[in-house]
Amino acid sequence: AQSVTQLGSHVSVSEGALVLLRCNYSSSVPPYLFWYVQYPNQGLQLLLKYTTGATLVKGINGFEAEFKKSETSFHLTKPSAHMSDAAEYFCAVSDLRGNTPLVFGKGTRLSVIA
Amino acid sequence: NAGVTQTPKFRVLKTGQSMTLLCAQDMNHEYMYWYRQDPGMGLRLIHYSVGEGTTAKGEVPDGYNVSRLKKQNFLLGLESAAPSQTSVYFCAGTSGGRAGELFFGEGSRLTVL
Repeated sequence: AQSVTQLGSHVSVSEGALVLLRCNYSSSVPPYLFWYVQYPNQGLQLLLKYTTGATLVKGINGFEAEFKKSETSFHLTKPSAHMSDAAEYFCAVSDLRGNTPLVFGKGTRLSVIA
Repeated sequence: NAGVTQTPKFRVLKTGQSMTLLCAQDMNHEYMYWYRQDPGMGLRLIHYSVGEGTTAKGEVPDGYNVSRLKKQNFLLGLESAAPSQTSVYFCAGTSGGRAGELFFGEGSRLTVL
């Protein structure tokens, strides 16, 4: 069964600094990988996803993630943090079998300091 | 376009009471899901449906039942609420299968006293 580990339940960065949120996955087959963002008191919304093809994936709001099969990682980055990026971020994995639903990581709360 | 709508948004129950959460979608989603979100636990799948008339158990199904009589509605029921079911519940839907974007409702906050 697939699983996701997000390293760090809380990450704090200064405004303008690099954002790096870590995600490692476990899957016995090539996975589909996703990053979702949750703003306070809202549901989750898709940031970006990797299915096949180019391993560097660009998403909304300047975020991107790189699929590294050898490291079983899908880390999320943004070159310059903005105050509006403060939110909780979830990595998720889905494998290719049947109708297996997404499995989410426990989330990483990003704080941006002015 | 309403998207995915959950009702009610807030509810306080006493232990042993029953209630139903309604998820309604107007996006023609084939797949629908119920998750619960608890601090430090991320999202955990309760039940899901891959089409009208079908349901399946997720990671944490005990104490919950679901029904999908119509494609646009997915109901989550608590027959006898327990304090351990205090949580924020999210409904989500997708038409894209395994690679599809999940569209989430805004959540339903349930407190069981």
